[in-house]
Amino acid sequence: GDSVTQMEGPVTLSEEAFLTINCTYTATGYPSLFWYVQYPGEGLQLLLKATKADDKGSNKGFEATYRKETTSFHLEKGSVQVSDSAVYFCALRANTGNQFYFGTGTSLTVIP
Amino acid sequence: EPEVTQTPSHQVTQMGQEVILRCVPISNHLYFYWYRQILGQKVEFLVSFYNNEISEKSEIFDDQFSVERPDGSNFTLKIRSTKLEDSAMYFCASSDHRAGGGELFFGEGSRLTVL
Repeated sequence: GDSVTQMEGPVTLSEEAFLTINCTYTATGYPSLFWYVQYPGEGLQLLLKATKADDKGSNKGFEATYRKETTSFHLEKGSVQVSDSAVYFCALRANTGNQFYFGTGTSLTVIP
Repeated sequence: EPEVTQTPSHQVTQMGQEVILRCVPISNHLYFYWYRQILGQKVEFLVSFYNNEISEKSEIFDDQFSVERPDGSNFTLKIRSTKLEDSAMYFCASSDHRAGGGELFFGEGSRLTVL
């Protein structure tokens, strides 16, 4: 079945460091891919998405490219800030059916 | 900006009691979901709902759980005879697409504590 495998955390970085959170997926066909972010005490918010191969989603300095050949959707940011401290979830939505599949989440802490 | 709203934000209940969590999805959305997140664990799919019926459900969503859309705006999750392990954050979500690029819009969550 469809699934998402996400890099284990927690991740601790210094401010202005480069961030990569790996995400790979298993799905039939061509799913849509998402990164959601959960700030402390809040719900999940969409960070970015990509709906077809080679699409790049971007938002707030974060980027992720839909790589069909490697079935990956890694999240990157060139220079993290303390305010980026949150839990990041990779997710996919199959192009049939209406269920979303989430990864386990990666906790990021950015220290000044 | 339209948003998904959930009530209550936090509910404490005794084991064995029934709980109803309420959600108001975004008004033009057609697909509704419940997810839960046990503290420190992954976000788990419970159920999806479309056209006034359950479209998919997980193995977690057993006879203890039920969902309902009692009117044109609310979407409820009922948990009968709550157990300690039902303590979690429950997220409602809605979407306006059946498949493809439609994203999920989540509510802020309802924290359920079962004592």
